[in-house]
Parts: sequence; C-alpha cells; structure tokens
Amino acid sequence: EAGVAQSPRYKIIEKRQSVAFWCNPISGHATLYWYQQILGQGPKLLIQFQNNGVVDDSQLPKDRFSAERLKGVDSTLKIQPAKLEDSAVYLCASSPARGVSGNTIYFGEGSWLTVV
Amino acid sequence: QQQVKQSPQSLIVQKGGISIINCAYENTAFDYFPWYQQFPGKGPALLIAIRPDVSEKKEGRFTISFNKSAKQFSLHIMDSQPGDSATYFCAAFISNFGNEKLTFGTGTRLTIIP
Repeated sequence: EAGVAQSPRYKIIEKRQSVAFWCNPISGHATLYWYQQILGQGPKLLIQFQNNGVVDDSQLPKDRFSAERLKGVDSTLKIQPAKLEDSAVYLCASSPARGVSGNTIYFGEGSWLTVV
Repeated sequence: QQQVKQSPQSLIVQKGGISIINCAYENTAFDYFPWYQQFPGKGPALLIAIRPDVSEKKEGRFTISFNKSAKQFSLHIMDSQPGDSATYFCAAFISNFGNEKLTFGTGTRLTIIP
C-alpha cells in the first residue's frame, strides 16, 4: 500500500514570496490533515478535511495560508506571502474515516520550507 | 493552549538501559493516546497506543503505562538500542464523530549511547 505522498520535499524561498505544497493521501482515506512542525516542536494541526469539506481550520493563519482539497483526494497548501516564521516542515496525513481511532493516522515525510 | 505536556525535552540513555518519557494531559475528552517515533527527515510513525480503560500496554520492548486519575501516561523502552535514537512524541486523540483531533506533545529527543 502506497503511503502519503508529498512534494516538493524541500523548498527555499525569500520572504514575501509564495509557495505551494501538494499532498496525495493514501487511496480511499477520507480525512486529510495538514500539520506544521517547527524545529524542536511537536506537529500543530493547520487544517483538517473530510472528503473535500473543511472540518477544522481554527489554527490556520488565513491571512496568508490557504488550502483546498478538490474532488476529495489530493490537497494543496499555499502560503502567500511567506514570513520568516513560516520556516517549518509541513506534514500531510490521512486517515480512513471520521471517528476512527488515532492509530490510523498516517503521515507523509513532509515538505521542508526555509524562508530567508 | 498546551493540552499535552511532555518531558523530558531530551534524554540520553546507555545501551541496554530503560528509557522513560512522560506525558500529562488536561482535556478529559481525549480517548486514545498514541506515541509516535520520528527519525530525522521522516514523518512521525505510530509506535504504540493505548485507550484510557487500560492501565498498561506492551508491544515488544515498548510499554505504555496509563494513569487515568492523574491524567498521565508514559512510554518505557526496555533494553534501549542505538536504533531507538529518535524523537518521540506523545499524542492525545479525540475520536468523537465530527470532532476528531490529534494533539501532540512537544517531543523528546532520545539518544542511546553505546
């Protein structure tokens, strides 16, 4: 079974530029998550989708971050304009269905963003 | 709001020793407690998990101890090996339909020395 795929793996941009990250969840997984992991910290949930609808985006900085999950499969996370404090690893994760135990959340390897 | 507190931040253990990482939570709505292991350059991977109606769960060298009344849980790694060197995150999950949420602790960087 293929895992959660993310791209690009690494990105360096200047502040005020824009960047987009792509995620392809495990086939058939209804729930998709984007987490931000700053160096030395635990992952923090940015946004959670159930199919193509947003379940939770309470911690997404909506003035600069946006995310979409068209057709309930792939997802894109965009940052525009980027700030230095956005330097982090952006983790995509997926799980089969709502209400399923936490052990079924699978993470991708992350997209590493450095803002200079 | 820090809902899951984890300690220590870093831990050095000799090969063959016992590694112990502790976590505490506040929200009694959490109903599942996984531990994740993360190697450099990789995403977190589920290691072991426990439900709050169980006081202990063991899988190989890894054991979770859970104290519901104290709202604390811990990971014990027996016979620690250099390959166990990684960052460990405790987490707490709410699996209520329509309100799923996985909250991570701040992580423990574990180093096993020969």
